[in-house]
Amino acid sequence: SYEVTQPLSISVALGQTATITCGGNNIGSKNVHWYQLTPGQAPVLVIYRDSNRPSGIPERFSGSNSGITATLTISRAQAGDEADYYCQVWDSSTGVFGGGTKLTVL
Amino acid sequence: QVQLVESGGGVVQPGRSLRLSCAASGFTFSSYGMHWVRQAPGKGLKWVAVIWSDGNNQYLADSVKGRFTISRDNSKNTLYLQMNRLRAEDTAVYYCARAIIVGATVYEFDHWGQGALVTVSS
Repeated sequence: SYEVTQPLSISVALGQTATITCGGNNIGSKNVHWYQLTPGQAPVLVIYRDSNRPSGIPERFSGSNSGITATLTISRAQAGDEADYYCQVWDSSTGVFGGGTKLTVL
Repeated sequence: QVQLVESGGGVVQPGRSLRLSCAASGFTFSSYGMHWVRQAPGKGLKWVAVIWSDGNNQYLADSVKGRFTISRDNSKNTLYLQMNRLRAEDTAVYYCARAIIVGATVYEFDHWGQGALVTVSS
């Protein structure tokens, strides 16, 4: 079965750029989506189909996908961006999530 | 606005059954596929099941195949997850999410509910 790998945690200084990776075999050939989870809140789609932002998501959030790595980039990180982030793909009639990355804003 | 509200969670003994519901509003429910996704305590998200808009096509994760059934009632704008032969490892918050499906291709999960907690324990 297909697997995607994320770092367990990353930290970023307030106002700096955070980069979260999602690795998988030839993931560049798949559509990658990113979700933000904060305690007590419904999950939120922040990037879909590699690099598209839903309405209401700040331009500070961007995504890319090529080769064996997809990337979520959060520019000018704010305290409110502190959350768990999950990448997700669809493979062989199955939804596949990465293990999640905890983003800490210092 | 799109709203998804899960209900039916609770504490259940191993081996018993439970049915979750997800009430949808703010969009044309019968035009969208729907997913169930779960998150065990302290763990990450795990996809559980998907059903197409007309209910004629569905897939389930291997871990629940043969025990769980996904269904929908488009006249009631409601999605269901029937969970039988529950195990301790099924303990999780269960989310319903709207699916973006074009033809046979499943894309993103664009709106999610707040989740319902299911605890399987004796």
